[in-house]
Amino acid sequence: AQKITQTQPGMFVQEKEAVTLDCTYDTSDPSYGLFWYKQPSSGEMIFLIYQGSYDQQNATEGRYSLNFQKARKSANLVISASQLGDSAMYFCAMREVSGGSYIPTFGRGTSLIVHP
Amino acid sequence: KAGVTQTPRYLIKTRGQQVTLSCSPISGHRSVSWYQQTPGQGLQFLFEYFSETQRNKGNFPGRFSGRQFSNSRSEMNVSTLELGDSALYLCASSTQTGYDTEAFFGQGTRLTVV
Repeated sequence: AQKITQTQPGMFVQEKEAVTLDCTYDTSDPSYGLFWYKQPSSGEMIFLIYQGSYDQQNATEGRYSLNFQKARKSANLVISASQLGDSAMYFCAMREVSGGSYIPTFGRGTSLIVHP
Repeated sequence: KAGVTQTPRYLIKTRGQQVTLSCSPISGHRSVSWYQQTPGQGLQFLFEYFSETQRNKGNFPGRFSGRQFSNSRSEMNVSTLELGDSALYLCASSTQTGYDTEAFFGQGTRLTVV
């Protein structure tokens, strides 16, 4: 079974509008971390935002916020006021304790295209 | 502060050869992780080193190995290359290992096996 599911292979958004990228996860571990990364065509993975399983509030970093719904095992990324430079692949990732090891798993990604 | 540096950026090798990729982490970071990214399998975790010790290992064959030096620089080796090893290999560094530790990635090494 997939541990991280990103159901949107591609998303389109108009510049200056907000967009939500979906991510659901599967774990039985009470301690885990959720991450979002951006990968432009250059290949480098850029860290965007982190949410811990025990965090009470949703994480925010500038224009990025994470809509964390623990009971639904959902960690959606919200990008406000989209910019042309936001066009990239976006990956949701989880790091959990698995037999004492912190094995990270990534979703298949969502391709975001921002239109002018 | 310099970011994560991976060398070389591009590499073409022949099936059956071996290859060594290098990763220099951010100064002060002691954990280095390696990932393989392909269109078919997505991004998969290879292994993680912390203070010269392998801490975590993904589900890859023994042809994939790595090591970390005392200055935290890491190398990844793939022996007996197969066509399916063609991929973008990403390295990430972090201050420590743990489920709540963010990782910073390099630009990757794109390996093509012909």
